[in-house]
Amino acid sequence: EAGVVQSPRYKIIEKKQPVAFWCNPISGHNTLYWYRQNLGQGPELLIRYENEEAVDDSQLPKDRFSAERLKGVDSTLKIQPAELGDSAVYLCASSLPPGYEQYFGPGTRLTVT
Amino acid sequence: GQNIDQPTEMTATEGAIVQINCTYQTSGFNGLFWYQQHAGEAPTFLSYNVLDGLEEKGRFSSFLSRSKGYSYLLLKELQMKDSASYLCAVRGANQAGTALIFGKGTTLSVSS
Repeated sequence: EAGVVQSPRYKIIEKKQPVAFWCNPISGHNTLYWYRQNLGQGPELLIRYENEEAVDDSQLPKDRFSAERLKGVDSTLKIQPAELGDSAVYLCASSLPPGYEQYFGPGTRLTVT
Repeated sequence: GQNIDQPTEMTATEGAIVQINCTYQTSGFNGLFWYQQHAGEAPTFLSYNVLDGLEEKGRFSSFLSRSKGYSYLLLKELQMKDSASYLCAVRGANQAGTALIFGKGTTLSVSS
């Protein structure tokens, strides 16, 4: 069974530029999460989807971050414009119902210069 | 507030036993997870506790005491490949349902 797929794996952009990350969850997993992990820290939830619906986006900086999960499968996380402080690893995870074990993708390492 | 504490770093030698502690204070509790994360890789699931007591899975065991807000991960017969960061995470409860709150991780270095 394929795991959670993310792309790109690495991205380097200049500040004020836009960037987008893509995630394909494990087939059949209705719940999808986007986390941000800063160096030396644990992952922090940005947004959680149940199918197409964003049910927890309280930690998403909505002035510059947006996300979508069309058709309840793939998801895209966008930052526009990026700031230096956005440099981090962006992890996507998926699970069966939200209480189940979360499976993480390899992440996208973003560097903003 | 929400707070999860675990030691920043630990060292051990091959073949030894190491215990990584985690204390938590969260608004609501619906289970505690341990994840392993090798440098530059995604976290991978190790264990899950929702009731008090010890859960054993091969060389790894995890313990939970809900009354004390305390858990530990026990790693036996350490191997070099166990060098990694170990993340304690609590599934709390908020208006939207469930959320996984992670600690900062404990970096374990295993030497020969």
